Amino acid sequence: AQKVTQAQTEISVVEKEDVTLDCVYETRDTTYYLFWYKQPPSGELVFLIRRNSFDEQNEISGRYSWNFQKSTSSFNFTITASQVVDSAVYFCALSGLNYGGATNKLIFGTGTLLAVQP
Amino acid sequence: DTGVSQNPRHKITKRGQNVTFRCDPISEHNRLYWYRQTLGQGPEFLTYFQNEAQLEKSRLLSDRFSAERPKGSFSTLEIQRTEQGDSAMYLCASSLAATAYEQYFGPGTRLTVT
Repeated sequence: AQKVTQAQTEISVVEKEDVTLDCVYETRDTTYYLFWYKQPPSGELVFLIRRNSFDEQNEISGRYSWNFQKSTSSFNFTITASQVVDSAVYFCALSGLNYGGATNKLIFGTGTLLAVQP
Repeated sequence: DTGVSQNPRHKITKRGQNVTFRCDPISEHNRLYWYRQTLGQGPEFLTYFQNEAQLEKSRLLSDRFSAERPKGSFSTLEIQRTEQGDSAMYLCASSLAATAYEQYFGPGTRLTVT
């Protein structure tokens, strides 16, 4: 069975602090994809990143960085110098492959609510 | 085309009534997904289509739920004889199927069953 665990329910930081959101996943698939989505107060899920199971290189995009470690089944997300606009619920998700290689359903974690205080 | 759209954005209905939601995906996307999200939880998969074919349905999708995508473009999700437990945000997402692409989500339809 596939499962995503986000153990941190809520995190509160002060602006400019760095913060790491944890994600641990379970899957028996050898090929799979991992995702992070942001859900701001407006409610619409916003795609942030996709990683495949064969690419363990860390990725950096501006203030965002992701650390994928297959050995520990983790895909953690770090925001550097957090800003008030980063306040949102962040979801980690997992997907397998079928039907010619396209990702199918997403299995989401329960999300981490990040509150960045000014 | 600016993204996935869903209508209505909010729906309040009385228990026992039928409701129908519509999703218009990004125009070139041939995959369309429905998810349900309750308060404090992540979205849960309900069903998905590739073009007009419904390829998978979750066990969450009881007999009271039906989804269609008649021409491979927009999709509808109907709930018959609504129950209070159906109250949730219903999310639609679309993606390309040619390779492993991310899903883009619409703003959702919030259903309240009184």
